[in-house]
Amino acid sequence: AQRVTQPEKLLSVFKGAPVELKCNYSYSGSPELFWYVQYSRQRLQLLLRHISRESIKGFTADLNKGETSFHLKKPFAQEEDSAMYYCALSEVRGSNYKLTFGKGTLLTVNP
Amino acid sequence: ETGVTQSPTHLIKTRGQQVTLRCSSQSGHNTVSWYQQALGQGPQFIFQYYREEENGRGNFPPRFSGLQFPNYSSELNVNALELDDSALYLCASTQGSAYEQYFGPGTRLTVT
Repeated sequence: AQRVTQPEKLLSVFKGAPVELKCNYSYSGSPELFWYVQYSRQRLQLLLRHISRESIKGFTADLNKGETSFHLKKPFAQEEDSAMYYCALSEVRGSNYKLTFGKGTLLTVNP
Repeated sequence: ETGVTQSPTHLIKTRGQQVTLRCSSQSGHNTVSWYQQALGQGPQFIFQYYREEENGRGNFPPRFSGLQFPNYSSELNVNALELDDSALYLCASTQGSAYEQYFGPGTRLTVT
């Protein structure tokens, strides 16, 4: 069975500092990984997907199959990055996209 | 374009009762997934509906059931409520097998 682990429940950094949110997964097949974000009083939304290899809002995430990790990074954190971040793994069976989420990391960026 | 909406926003029920939660998909989306998010946890997949049929289910007992209607709106029904069913219930819609799921704001269910 697939599993997603986010070891840090809370992460606090200062504005301008680098930030890395850790995500490890276990999955027997070829994983498809995502980062979802939830800003205060907003709904859960997709931040980025590993296949697209995009940089969204300055965030990047590289899939490391050897270490089964998909850490989210940003070189210079901004106060508006403060939010709850969830790493998610997708299992695709036919037309069914089932997401398995980690428990989330609450990022606080201090001024 | 209309986003995913859910009703009601909050609900309080007594153990043993039944509850129905509702979700309207984003315009043009034909696939709906339901998730349960307990306090301090990530969302957990309950099931998915595609073109009015269940299209995958997570580790939830049969007392969790659902429906999808021809207009692609959906209901989540929970029978014989237990205290542990207290959670935020999220609905997410997508178009077919597209990867991005669009989430609603959730329904907060409290079982006393």
